[in-house]
Amino acid sequence: EDQVTQSPEALRLQEGESSSLNCSYTVSGLRGLFWYRQDPGKGPEFLFTLYSAGEEKEKERLKATLTKKESFLHITAPKPEDSATYLCAVLTGANSKLTFGKGITLSVRP
Amino acid sequence: EAQVTQNPRYLITVTGKKLTVTCSQNMNHEYMSWYRQDPGLGLRQIYYSMNVEVTDKGDVPEGYKVSRKEKRNFPLILESPSPNQTSLYFCASSPRDRLYFPYGYTFGSGTRLTVV
Repeated sequence: EDQVTQSPEALRLQEGESSSLNCSYTVSGLRGLFWYRQDPGKGPEFLFTLYSAGEEKEKERLKATLTKKESFLHITAPKPEDSATYLCAVLTGANSKLTFGKGITLSVRP
Repeated sequence: EAQVTQNPRYLITVTGKKLTVTCSQNMNHEYMSWYRQDPGLGLRQIYYSMNVEVTDKGDVPEGYKVSRKEKRNFPLILESPSPNQTSLYFCASSPRDRLYFPYGYTFGSGTRLTVV
C-alpha cells in the first residue's frame, strides 16, 4: 500500500527564519510528486510537480526537491503570508491514483 | 477566469436522501477527480476520470457514484447518504502531461456536506 508521511505535523517560524518541510514516501511506481498549499476553508493550490530524483523547482521563496525516498519543500526567509498547510501527494501506478500526506501546518510570526 | 466550480458550497441532508454535487471546469482539462477531506485523515481520492466516459475508483469509492458524459462536468452522486459521509468534498481538474498522467490538479472551493 502506498504511504506518504509528512513531518513535522506543525511548524512555527519567525519571519525570515528559513526551514524545510519533509515528505517521505513508500510507493510502487512513482509517476510524480506534487506539492500543494491549502489555506483554511479553501481548496488546495497547486505549487509544483516533480518527476524524478534530483529534480528541483522554485517559485518565489519556495524550492522543492526530490530524492528516491523523500521530497523537501524549502522555505527561504518566510513571511507571515506563507502561513498555510502544505500538502504533498504522490501519483503512482499504471492508473492515476493520487495519495496525499496529512499535511504540515506552517505558522510564520511577524 | 480559469476555475473549477462546484455546487452547492454547503449542504445539510438526511440519511438516505439521494443527492448530487455538481462540478464543472472551464480549462478543457482531461482529468477530473473527487476528494474528501476529514480531520486526521487528510485528503482521500474518491473517484477520478481520465477523459469522457473513462472513470476509475480512488481509495474510498464506497457509497459514491460518478459519471463523465461531458469533458467539463463531473458530478458526484450519493445514492443513499449516511452520516459517515459527512465531510468536506473537493472537485479538481488537471491537464495531462506528455506521458498522459495528470500534471497538477486545480481544486474547487469545496462543498461541506452534513448528513443527519
